[in-house]
Amino acid sequence: DIVMTQSPDSLAVSLGERATINCKSSQSVLYSSNKKNYLVWYQQKPGQPPKLLIDFASTRESGVPDRFSGSGSGTDFTLTISSLQAEDVAVYYCQQYYDTPWTFGQGTKVEIK
Amino acid sequence: QLQLQESGPGLVKPSETLSLTCTVSGGSISSNSYYWGWIRQPPERGLEWIGNIYYSGSTYYNPSLNSRVTISIDTSKSQFSLRLSSVTAADTAVYYCARHDFTRNWWSFFDPWGQGTLVTVSS
Repeated sequence: DIVMTQSPDSLAVSLGERATINCKSSQSVLYSSNKKNYLVWYQQKPGQPPKLLIDFASTRESGVPDRFSGSGSGTDFTLTISSLQAEDVAVYYCQQYYDTPWTFGQGTKVEIK
Repeated sequence: QLQLQESGPGLVKPSETLSLTCTVSGGSISSNSYYWGWIRQPPERGLEWIGNIYYSGSTYYNPSLNSRVTISIDTSKSQFSLRLSSVTAADTAVYYCARHDFTRNWWSFFDPWGQGTLVTVSS
């Protein structure tokens, strides 16, 4: 199985400040034939199911605010919230779809400082 | 707008079988562009993929649960179902159903998700 490890487990950021979440995969999720990273990011707010934010490691889904950005390649990825808003309080998960079984990171909880 | 809704008992006794159904509305369950999946989330823990099914009945399971899981589909009712046998307290979790994208001839993200249903395993 591809193990996804996120860091930190939680972080507290002041409103308007940057939040950075890391995700590391135990093997590369870069598909060589198309040079795409098979990794997505989800946002899960309390009492809600996960919501898709970013695909291919860096492509924002329609309607996702541009303060959310994804970067990285191979085994190391980052989700950045450039200016944290109150509505961004949530747990964020990465997921790989390079190989089955599809696996998720353990989640990173983002709170307001 | 596609919607998914889980249903089933919220309490299951140890050693018994957990059974849940997901009803799909606002779109076709028989699309050849999507699989239909189950994912679970134990309390205060992360997400675990359980398995997928295609409209044709083709299934893929997480090997960690493979021997206990059965997923089936009823396209006439726009429903797919999960059965997990021999449950223990470790199977206590919120169970989600979700559409699994297959539009690129490979599985990718899960979207959308149902609201989830909490299943507690306890005597």
